[in-house]
Amino acid sequence: EEQLVESGGDLVKPGGSLRLSCAASGFTFSNAWMSWVRQAPGKGLEWVGRVKSKAVGETRDYAAPVKGRFTISRDDSKDTVYLQMNSLKIEDTAVYYCTTGHGWGFDFWGQGTLVTVSS
Amino acid sequence: EIVLTQSPGTLSLSPGERATLSCRASQSVGSTYLAWYQQKPGQAPRLLIFGASSRATGISDRFSGSGSGTDFTLTISRLEPEDFAVYYCQQFDSSLWTFGQGTKVEVK
Repeated sequence: EEQLVESGGDLVKPGGSLRLSCAASGFTFSNAWMSWVRQAPGKGLEWVGRVKSKAVGETRDYAAPVKGRFTISRDDSKDTVYLQMNSLKIEDTAVYYCTTGHGWGFDFWGQGTLVTVSS
Repeated sequence: EIVLTQSPGTLSLSPGERATLSCRASQSVGSTYLAWYQQKPGQAPRLLIFGASSRATGISDRFSGSGSGTDFTLTISRLEPEDFAVYYCQQFDSSLWTFGQGTKVEVK
């Protein structure tokens, strides 16, 4: 059974940094394009960014609000994807999900990890 | 960036009624690249529809998707109590993927 487990959420001050991890199991991680999606309290879903598989160049793309501050990386030897968040802002407060799917749809989601940016 | 606009923001209906949710894109989206999700409070989203009209594994045939180009629709034929939730569309057609802002289907 496919499973994604996020960790690393915490309370951090504005301007600080945090790294989230997402451990995958139950599918061939090295072939998967992995995304991060966030949801601010009481708000909708926001796609944060994606890393493609090594087979297609491990290309990364980011949503405009996080570009230049967030970096997605992957370690296929550990079946894990990471989200490095720098220069955090109050508006980055959200539950962060990692997600992927077999095709053009996110079939699998983690349980989410809460990041709170506050002084 | 492709902007997805969902309407209405809130749909108030009774169990047994039909729900029609709209998702309009700021530019054309290939049907292959349009998905719909359901989200209930405290839960991760669940994929309902991919490729604009294909139901994901285990999804009831009460749910159907249609549309092309810039206009897409999710229809719930007869609302069951468990269908009251928030629904999001998403596009994968550009390098920057985006979600709509969501439609809440609530009990009237």
